[in-house]
Amino acid sequence: QVQLQESGPGLVKPSQTLSLTCTVSGGSISSGSYYWIWIRQPAGKGLEWIGRIYTTGSTNYNPSLKSRVTISVDTSKNQFSLKLSSVTAADTAVYYCARSVGDYYDSSVRRWFDPWGQGTLVTVSS
Amino acid sequence: DIQMTQSPSSLSASVGDRVTITCRASQSISSYLNWYQQKPGKAPKLLIYAASSLQGGVPSRFSGSESGTDFTLTISSLQPEDFATYYCQQSYSIPRTFGQGTKVEIK
Repeated sequence: QVQLQESGPGLVKPSQTLSLTCTVSGGSISSGSYYWIWIRQPAGKGLEWIGRIYTTGSTNYNPSLKSRVTISVDTSKNQFSLKLSSVTAADTAVYYCARSVGDYYDSSVRRWFDPWGQGTLVTVSS
Repeated sequence: DIQMTQSPSSLSASVGDRVTITCRASQSISSYLNWYQQKPGKAPKLLIYAASSLQGGVPSRFSGSESGTDFTLTISSLQPEDFATYYCQQSYSIPRTFGQGTKVEIK
């Protein structure tokens, strides 16, 4: 079955750019009508949706982060990536990648997140 | 953004208890509501999608229902492995948003 794995630096300096990659195994990132998602969770807090990308490259971002976020996809490597610029301590969190699956309902698509990667902790500190 | 409000924020229960967690959306989201379980140090795991559909491999003691903008996750008979934090999430509009979580603890 499909599995996701996050990778990237665990420590980023303030004002720099956080860069993470999610590698998809067990299936092609290009197959099916899936979105690929980034979500984060500060320690002891709830979940925040960062954004998503379709295999065509179409993206949607959380307006709260939109000015700093870029999500891209590399179908040749079966990976998608997150870049978050101008980071501060408030960006310290566990970052998860996930797949967004859906079904057709009443002329629209209901979606949910499954599976998820195991998560990677990114600390912003000098 | 659509606000998702869960209640309670935490609860204590015993093995075998029936547990109910509620999630209220700030506007109508039809059945665009999912539930996840998260254990410490682990990624969230999908339990229920589209308000009431049980994800494959999830025990049948978990169920979901909806009534207007109120959604309910029910665990019919709490098991030791069910002690965790539960999150609801709406997929009606962008940005996707989650409830603040409900922590289920051992009584």
